[in-house]
Amino acid sequence: DAGVIQSPRHEVTEMGQEVTLRCKPISGHDYLFWYRQTMMRGLELLIYFNNNVPIDDSGMPEDRFSAKMPNASFSTLKIQPSEPRDSAVYFCASTGQGDYEQYFGPGTRLTVT
Amino acid sequence: RKEVEQDPGPFNVPEGATVAFNCTYSNSASQSFFWYRQDCRKEPKLLMSVYSSGNEDGRFTAQLNRASQYISLLIRDSKLSDSATYLCAVYSSASKIIFGSGTRLSIRP
Repeated sequence: DAGVIQSPRHEVTEMGQEVTLRCKPISGHDYLFWYRQTMMRGLELLIYFNNNVPIDDSGMPEDRFSAKMPNASFSTLKIQPSEPRDSAVYFCASTGQGDYEQYFGPGTRLTVT
Repeated sequence: RKEVEQDPGPFNVPEGATVAFNCTYSNSASQSFFWYRQDCRKEPKLLMSVYSSGNEDGRFTAQLNRASQYISLLIRDSKLSDSATYLCAVYSSASKIIFGSGTRLSIRP
């Protein structure tokens, strides 16, 4: 298995632009998680899905952030409009039913100027 | 108060030393606990689970203290390759895991 796949790996954009991050979970995993990591705040859970349904989005910072999972093999995290304070590494992770280990993708390093 | 708290470090120790760090959690109903390792500019990866009875994997020992609500990680005979950030993780509910901010460990020759 290729593991969790994320794209792009790096994204540099200007303030106000829309940013879309993509994730392909490990095949067969029922849960998908989006995290954001910064030096100041550490690794924060933004939202997670179970069987493509959003379960908890309480970590989504504000309405500028949205996430979708149209099918079991694909999810997006969108920021519109982006702001410099959104600069961070965004990780996607997946896990299977009854499995506590989370498998992380390589992350997307986002810089908003 | 954060749900999961760690000393950010950095811990800077010589090769061969023993180093230990703790992680405290606030939810007394938490059931499962883990240590993840994160190398610089990489993703976190599971290092080991933490069982009530404590568990050991080679040079690494993880322990749980439910009464005081903390978990610990002990690394014996530290190697240069142990340099990384160690994140504790606590299973909250409904498959939701809360991570600590991580403790940076640097092993010097």
